[in-house]
Amino acid sequence: NAGVTQTPKFQVLKTGQSMTLQCAQDMNHEYMSWYRQDPGMGLRLIHYSVGAGITDQGEVPNGYNVSRSTTEDFPLRLLSAAPSQTSVYFCASSTPLGTPAYEQYFGPGTRLTVT
Amino acid sequence: SQKIEQNSEALNIQEGKTATLTCNYTNYSPAYLQWYRQDPGRGPVFLLLIRENEKEKRKERLKVTFDTTLKQSLFHITASQPADSATYLCAPGGDYGGATNKLIFGTGTLLAVQP
Repeated sequence: NAGVTQTPKFQVLKTGQSMTLQCAQDMNHEYMSWYRQDPGMGLRLIHYSVGAGITDQGEVPNGYNVSRSTTEDFPLRLLSAAPSQTSVYFCASSTPLGTPAYEQYFGPGTRLTVT
Repeated sequence: SQKIEQNSEALNIQEGKTATLTCNYTNYSPAYLQWYRQDPGRGPVFLLLIRENEKEKRKERLKVTFDTTLKQSLFHITASQPADSATYLCAPGGDYGGATNKLIFGTGTLLAVQP
């Protein structure tokens, strides 16, 4: 049981390049989310999914795309990287909030620098 | 807009004392409130969830209160240890029915427990 895994751990991109941040979970959780964390800003929700085939926007979705073709995977795509997307990205998975044994698990993060 | 406030200044306490961290929120009526611990360079770790109809919740040395009238949650660590030193994040969120897991995170309070 690996929990939530993210790849890569570190990435440097040039402005305008595109890339995909990978996220996978092996707990059969319905809910998955992507957050970015910037100094002094806290964690901000980018996109989230409540099940395979269902995604929705969070607080800061511009410049990012997601898809959820399987329960396990929830990749985040940067379409055309900008320096403002320099951040640490966290993927998370959980059961629905209303469930008695609710817990949310975060991955180890991807540190992205856009030059 | 919704706003979460946690003490931005670090909280320094002596080992063995009780640490109390505060989370205030405005323009929001969350059905749930969660607390997380985050160590440098790592993803947040879920600690506790409290529901709006629960006044208090305990887990080992941790205690959380949720006052929906004051729009405030208090997080207590009793008999604190140096290993408790970390940043603690609060995250109100959730529809009343628990239909989504959309959370808003505070920026966190750094706790430093001195031996």
